[in-house]
Amino acid sequence: AQTVTQSQPEMSVQEAETVTLSCTYDTSESDYYLFWYKQPPSRQMILVIRQEAYKQQNATENRFSVNFQKAAKSFSLKISDSQLGDAAMYFCAYRARETSGSRLTFGEGTQLTVNP
Amino acid sequence: DAGVIQSPRHEVTEMGQEVTLRCKPISGHNSLFWYRQTMMRGLELLIYFNNNVPIDDSGMPEDRFSAKMPNASFSTLKIQPSEPRDSAVYFCASKIGLVNTGELFFGEGSRLTVL
Repeated sequence: AQTVTQSQPEMSVQEAETVTLSCTYDTSESDYYLFWYKQPPSRQMILVIRQEAYKQQNATENRFSVNFQKAAKSFSLKISDSQLGDAAMYFCAYRARETSGSRLTFGEGTQLTVNP
Repeated sequence: DAGVIQSPRHEVTEMGQEVTLRCKPISGHNSLFWYRQTMMRGLELLIYFNNNVPIDDSGMPEDRFSAKMPNASFSTLKIQPSEPRDSAVYFCASKIGLVNTGELFFGEGSRLTVL
């Protein structure tokens, strides 16, 4: 079974600084997808960034980038120039590329606080 | 464009009562997912449908939980009878297809409190 682990229940960062959220996962699959979702107080889950395991290049979306280390099964999220609106719960998620289903497995979440 | 629409947004009920949560997926999306979020267990996948057919319901906690998708634009998650440990936020999500990289769009969730 696949598992996703976020070892940092809480993180804080000063506005305009950079913060990195950690995520590790365990799988026997070779082809899969990894995601970071953001859940603000409004509760809605919003996709921040996506990485396909077969791509060596790290995904980047504006101020958000990932450090994908496939051999180490690590998938960290870096937020540059942090803004107050980045404050939220962040979930790392995994999905195998399989034909029989599409189960998305989430980590426990990291609560990010952005200090003005 | 309307996103995934869930109702009710909040529900408070007494133990033993029937609860029905509703979801309208994004038009054109043919995969629908029900998740439950609690402090203790985080986000858990309960069940998902593809083309209105349940594909995997192994996450449904017990027989008190049932889910239906009578058509492409509507799904329900029913708990009967409800218990205090069912208190959680229930999310519905939809996407196009099952195995592609299409984004999973979540609704705003239904917060259920069972007294």
